[in-house]
Amino acid sequence: AQSVTQLDSQVPVFEEAPVELRCNYSSSVSVYLFWYVQYPNQGLQLLLKYLSGSTLVKGINGFEAEFNKSQTSFHLRKPSVHISDTAEYFCAVSEKAGANNLFFGTGTRLTVIP
Amino acid sequence: SQTIHQWPATLVQPVGSPLSLECTVEGTSNPNLYWYRQAAGRGLQLLFYSVGIGQISSEVPQNLSASRPQDRQFILSSKKLLLSDSGFYLCAWAAQGGSPLHFGNGTRLTVT
Repeated sequence: AQSVTQLDSQVPVFEEAPVELRCNYSSSVSVYLFWYVQYPNQGLQLLLKYLSGSTLVKGINGFEAEFNKSQTSFHLRKPSVHISDTAEYFCAVSEKAGANNLFFGTGTRLTVIP
Repeated sequence: SQTIHQWPATLVQPVGSPLSLECTVEGTSNPNLYWYRQAAGRGLQLLFYSVGIGQISSEVPQNLSASRPQDRQFILSSKKLLLSDSGFYLCAWAAQGGSPLHFGNGTRLTVT
């Protein structure tokens, strides 16, 4: 079975500063990895995904994430955040084989301070 | 392009009343369909998923049920709501074979 750990429940950061949101996973099989963003009272929107190939994945809104197999991590980064990046961010993992079951972390609340 | 519709957006129901939340997908066929619940300040909990018409898998035992009467329709139901059923319910779909999930805008359910 897979599991996802997002160690930071809340991350405050000043506008235009860099940010890293941490995600670690555990799985006994090969996985796909995802980051989603959720704005208040809305559904989740896909930021980026790692399926295979290059371990550095670029997504929407200037975000990127790096898959590190040895450390079982998939941290999300942005070099300069904006006020509009304030939202909840979820890391998720699914097996490469199976019925697309996605297991989510508990989320990280990113607050950008003007 | 594919779209997912989920309604209602908000719902206030008394304890013991029934529930029916509906989700439909357009622009794709034979999708995997999912119901998640997000409790306040917590992550997402997978409730049900379906890989085809009439095929429902339950992840968590509870007083909720799901049905898939048509290929692109997924319904979440309850005969008698509990206070603990309050939360944000999200429907999602994915193409078969490992693609990302695409979420609806959610239903905020408050059981009073």
